[in-house]
Amino acid sequence: SQQGEEDPQALSIQEGENATMNCSYKTSINNLQWYRQNSGRGLVHLILIRSNEREKHSGRLRVTLDTSKKSSSLLITASRAADTASYFCATLNNAGNMLTFGGGTRLMVKP
Amino acid sequence: DAGVIQSPRHEVTEMGQEVTLRCKPISGHDYLFWYRQTMMRGLELLIYFNNNVPIDDSGMPEDRFSAKMPNASFSTLKIQPSEPRDSAVYFCASSPSGGRNQPQHFGDGTRLSIL
Repeated sequence: SQQGEEDPQALSIQEGENATMNCSYKTSINNLQWYRQNSGRGLVHLILIRSNEREKHSGRLRVTLDTSKKSSSLLITASRAADTASYFCATLNNAGNMLTFGGGTRLMVKP
Repeated sequence: DAGVIQSPRHEVTEMGQEVTLRCKPISGHDYLFWYRQTMMRGLELLIYFNNNVPIDDSGMPEDRFSAKMPNASFSTLKIQPSEPRDSAVYFCASSPSGGRNQPQHFGDGTRLSIL
């Protein structure tokens, strides 16, 4: 089974609203990364949070990490139609040689 | 900067045929990864290379799949013979060395359909 599991699997919101996606994982990690995938394109790296960090910001993105609960969340504030995409979390194992992706959250932002 | 370049973007072929997917990583990146994405199984790591050497091929589904990296700027993933269940989007990604906190850069994938 996949290391990371995103929740919800699909999310539909109106432009301007905030979008929150969650990721849970099973084993200890070195870091956790979030990627975005637009339809028909490859994944694009958004943000990386190390296991000793609890929160990180990048523009309209806010990521939290709770290693005690083995979970992370990605918040996109003031969403735009252009944010419509699938979002994946990926965990890097402690050996640093394996990045495992979750199943993704499909986000639709309606104009 | 040119990103990771994959070719072809789309491939449709009949089962039993040999399929070769190609990847040019970002110049200077030491790591190269091949992934497969399907609706059922999500994104799966097939194999990765470091400095052109295969490090972990445990994700390669079976002997019909093989991957090579003859030099730092080129890699191939070959399926021979192909089967309908190999239909998927295949991604190549690369990342620089310098520790564990380097993101992976993905190409736009090859959409493979085996009839």
